[in-house]
Amino acid sequence: NAGVTQTPKFQVLKTGQSMTLQCAQDMNHNSMYWYRQDPGMGLRLIYYSASEGTTDKGEVPNGYNVSRLNKREFSLRLESAAPSQTSVYFCATHRGGTEAFFGQGTRLTVV
Amino acid sequence: EDQVTQSPEALRLQEGESSSLNCSYTVSGLRGLFWYRQDPGKGPEFLFTLYSAGEEKEKERLKATLTKKESFLHITAPKPEDSATYLCAVRDSGNTPLVFGKGTRLSVIA
Repeated sequence: NAGVTQTPKFQVLKTGQSMTLQCAQDMNHNSMYWYRQDPGMGLRLIYYSASEGTTDKGEVPNGYNVSRLNKREFSLRLESAAPSQTSVYFCATHRGGTEAFFGQGTRLTVV
Repeated sequence: EDQVTQSPEALRLQEGESSSLNCSYTVSGLRGLFWYRQDPGKGPEFLFTLYSAGEEKEKERLKATLTKKESFLHITAPKPEDSATYLCAVRDSGNTPLVFGKGTRLSVIA
């Protein structure tokens, strides 16, 4: 039982390049989230999807887009990467009202 | 706006030296306070959920408590393997995302 799977685990981009971070869950949960984690800043919400077909902005959405492809998959896209987007990105999922489960993270460096 | 503040930012303990981590929160309606452990290079790992003031949960050397304004994570006789960053998060009323504090980085020295 994999839980929450993120790909890739590591990525280096040049400024201006685009990429998509993939997240898939096999827990049959409705809600999925994308967070970024930076030193001294904690986990900050980028976007979330309360259910299939819906997405909402979080605290730091600028420069990102998301797609809830189906109940299992929630992707995060950087259209034109900037050095400020260097971070560790976490995908998470939860069943309503309960604890969230996290993937292992994608470590992104933009040079 | 929901807010979560954790203190101290970092804590260094000798093995066996008990202590507590603090999480103070402001929410319009608490639907759960969550504690997570995060090891370097890994995603947060769920520890406890507390729902109402007065509730307590225990797991090995860890005990979490909750009041109307804050939560404590008590660590009794810690071991080096308890070294990690401990994160606190809250959920407001309804099916809203978790709001996290910045964490407490715990180091336990043998």
